[in-house]
Amino acid sequence: GDSVTQMEGPVTLSEEAFLTINCTYTATGYPSLFWYVQYPGEGLQLLLKATKADDKGSNKGFEATYRKETTSFHLEKGSVQVSDSAVYFCALSKTGANNLFFGTGTRLTVIP
Amino acid sequence: EAQVTQNPRYLITVTGKKLTVTCSQNMNHEYMSWYRQDPGLGLRQIYYSMNVEVTDKGDVPEGYKVSRKEKRNFPLILESPSPNQTSLYFCASSLTGGRYEQYFGPGTRLTVT
Repeated sequence: GDSVTQMEGPVTLSEEAFLTINCTYTATGYPSLFWYVQYPGEGLQLLLKATKADDKGSNKGFEATYRKETTSFHLEKGSVQVSDSAVYFCALSKTGANNLFFGTGTRLTVIP
Repeated sequence: EAQVTQNPRYLITVTGKKLTVTCSQNMNHEYMSWYRQDPGLGLRQIYYSMNVEVTDKGDVPEGYKVSRKEKRNFPLILESPSPNQTSLYFCASSLTGGRYEQYFGPGTRLTVT
């Protein structure tokens, strides 16, 4: 079945460090891929998305590229800030499907 | 302001006592959904609704009921809660389906003793 695998956390980085959070997926066809972010005490909100192979989603300095050959959608940011501390979820959804399949989430803590 | 609201935000109850968690959205979205979030498991879908009077099971529907009598509201009902339903619950909505951007409520932390 469809699934998403994220790197285990937690991840702790110093401010201005480079961030990569790995995400790989298993799905037939051509799913849409998403990164959602959950700040402390809040619900999830969409960070970025990509709907077809080689698309790059970007927002707030974060980027992720839809790589069909490696079934991956890794999240990257060149210079993290303390305000980026949150839990990040990779998710996929397929055409005609009515739900999102979420990864287990990766907690990021950025220290000054 | 466009938003999804849930009430209550926190609830502690006892096994077997019926409860309802309300969810409301003001964006005229057709699609609404309930998820539960558990450590190490991510978010799992409980039920979803494509429109008024149309609901369907997600991945973990056992022990839950929903209804969609109005477009804006999608309450989650636990008729006989058990301790394994202790979790963090999120309601979400989107324009027309699960593969579009979903807007999440702030969450309801439920503890069943």
